[in-house]
Amino acid sequence: AQKVTQAQTEISVVEKEDVTLDCVYETRDTTYYLFWYKQPPSGELVFLIRRNSFDEQNEISGRYSWNFQKSTSSFNFTITASQVVDSAVYFCALIRTSGTYKYIFGTGTRLKVLA
Amino acid sequence: DARVTQTPRDKVTEMGQEVTMRCQPILGHNTVFWYRQTMMQGLELLAYFRNRAPLDDSGMPKDRFSAEMPDATLATLKIQPSEPRDSAVYFCASGLVLKIWSSGNTIYFGEGSWLTVV
Repeated sequence: AQKVTQAQTEISVVEKEDVTLDCVYETRDTTYYLFWYKQPPSGELVFLIRRNSFDEQNEISGRYSWNFQKSTSSFNFTITASQVVDSAVYFCALIRTSGTYKYIFGTGTRLKVLA
Repeated sequence: DARVTQTPRDKVTEMGQEVTMRCQPILGHNTVFWYRQTMMQGLELLAYFRNRAPLDDSGMPKDRFSAEMPDATLATLKIQPSEPRDSAVYFCASGLVLKIWSSGNTIYFGEGSWLTVV
């Protein structure tokens, strides 16, 4: 069975703190993609990053960084020096291979960055 | 800047009325998804289409929901009759989903249709 778990329901940090959002996934496939999406208070879902299962290199984009570890089935997301504009719900997602195109989403982590 | 377009953005309707939500996927995308988001259930996949053919609608209540894709530029989600428990945000998403190792496979969401059934 495919599953994505975001155990942190809500996190509050003070501006400029670093914060890590956890994502743990389950799949029997050896090839798959993982994603992070951001849902700000305005409601739209914004694509942040895609990673395939053969690429375990960490990625950094500005204040955002992602740590993918197949050994622990985790794809964690870190925001460095958080800002109020980072306040949003963040979703981790998995797409399996084998002919279906279902994207499995986690339940999301609500991040509140306080000024 | 290509984006998925959904209408209406907001809809308030009375129980029993028919509701139709429309989605224009990004031009060139071959796969369209309908998701429903509620506080209790999170993001639920209702149905999806690939090259306009319905692939899976198992997430949809069959008795009142229907999803169609009359052409490559339009996907519709219809609820008839609507019930208060259908109140949610309905998202359409599209993507160019090819073989898994293609450069695509990222899906992009519309802004959502916020439905309230009273």
